[in-house]
Amino acid sequence: GENVEQHPSTLSVQEGDSAVIKCTYSDSASNYFPWYKQELGKGPQLIIDIRSNVGEKKDQRIAVTLNKTAKHFSLHITETQPEDSAVYFCAATNEGYGNNRLAFGKGNQVVVIP
Amino acid sequence: KAGVTQTPRYLIKTRGQQVTLSCSPISGHRSVSWYQQTPGQGLQFLFEYFSETQRNKGNFPGRFSGRQFSNSRSEMNVSTLELGDSALYLCASSLTGQESSYNSPLHFGNGTRLTVT
Repeated sequence: GENVEQHPSTLSVQEGDSAVIKCTYSDSASNYFPWYKQELGKGPQLIIDIRSNVGEKKDQRIAVTLNKTAKHFSLHITETQPEDSAVYFCAATNEGYGNNRLAFGKGNQVVVIP
Repeated sequence: KAGVTQTPRYLIKTRGQQVTLSCSPISGHRSVSWYQQTPGQGLQFLFEYFSETQRNKGNFPGRFSGRQFSNSRSEMNVSTLELGDSALYLCASSLTGQESSYNSPLHFGNGTRLTVT
């Protein structure tokens, strides 16, 4: 099955700086890559996703890039704010026709220092 | 629109007991998935239900089971609880049907924290 790895496990950044989290996946058939943010005491919340037919997607301060050849995708957060402090999970799956089974990375703790 | 609702939020059980967790999906969502989250293993897929049928299952023992009702609400059951079953159990719903090559995103609830003593 799919195996997703995330690096680094913990990331501390100064407020206003950028944060980058990188994930690698093993199954070349994977074609859908969502990112989730989880705050303490809450469930994961989808923040952005990308499909394999595009290389980059942006939504305000958040962007995701995908390199299918190298089988890695990255989350970029610009102009970080204290409310960006959370655990971020990447995931991958071969979507479609009823497959909702996501393989998640172990998560990255992002700490934004005011 | 109300989000995914999971009850109860917290549960404490003893080894050997069984437990039932409940999930109400977002209105209109017909797919419900369950995940187990632990510090060591992270988020692991348990199973998914669509139109009252299990259509995908993860690598968990048969002690873990689930079902879905005609109103899309879902329950999962864990029998003969073990200490290692202590975890946050997350339910997620999705609009995804079987006719599309694209999935709609998973929306997670806040989970049920199960502690087995």
